[in-house]
Amino acid sequence: RKEVEQDPGPFNVPEGATVAFNCTYSNSASQSFFWYRQDCRKEPKLLMSVYSSGNEDGRFTAQLNRASQYISLLIRDSKLSDSATYLCVVNSNSGYNKLIFGAGTRLAVHP
Amino acid sequence: DVKVTQSSRYLVKRTGEKVFLECVQDMDHENMFWYRQDPGLGLRLIYFSYDVKMKEKGDIPEGYSVSREKKERFSLILESASTNQTSMYLCASKATAGTVRTEAFFGQGTRLTVV
Repeated sequence: RKEVEQDPGPFNVPEGATVAFNCTYSNSASQSFFWYRQDCRKEPKLLMSVYSSGNEDGRFTAQLNRASQYISLLIRDSKLSDSATYLCVVNSNSGYNKLIFGAGTRLAVHP
Repeated sequence: DVKVTQSSRYLVKRTGEKVFLECVQDMDHENMFWYRQDPGLGLRLIYFSYDVKMKEKGDIPEGYSVSREKKERFSLILESASTNQTSMYLCASKATAGTVRTEAFFGQGTRLTVV
């Protein structure tokens, strides 16, 4: 089993739609969680960190469920510019700040 | 802004060549990482380093080695390049800073083709 698993996608949604991605992780001792965004042929960039209480940044909401070991990302009012691959990232509690990436979920927003 | 710089955007090497991929970061980060990214497989960790001269194997270290002689520089070495090492290679760095809640910053990637 992979340490971090994501919906494979692709998700094809119209502009204005709400879309949700889920991610599960296997190491219950993991401490930190992130969502990264990666555009085609570009490097990943941090979208948002995920905190225990959940957090929101504009149209984006991230949730963490430690009991079920999953993380979610909700995008409201999708824009064409949201089209990208979204990577779930877990900081393994190995003592070495080792980051484990999910394979990514591709989102395509169409007019 | 943090800057992570990889020495090359594109490289073409021959099978059997020794290949060096260089990564430099300018934010005094303790931790540096090398990943490779392949379609459908996502980012897979090759090696990481949490301090100068310290290194740890990631998930796919076979065929690779690393060097961290200075804090700002982390090199990935393909001892004898093979065609199955054709991939996008991404370097990242992050701070420890007493907490694990720090983001990783990536270089622009090196697309390596082994022919």
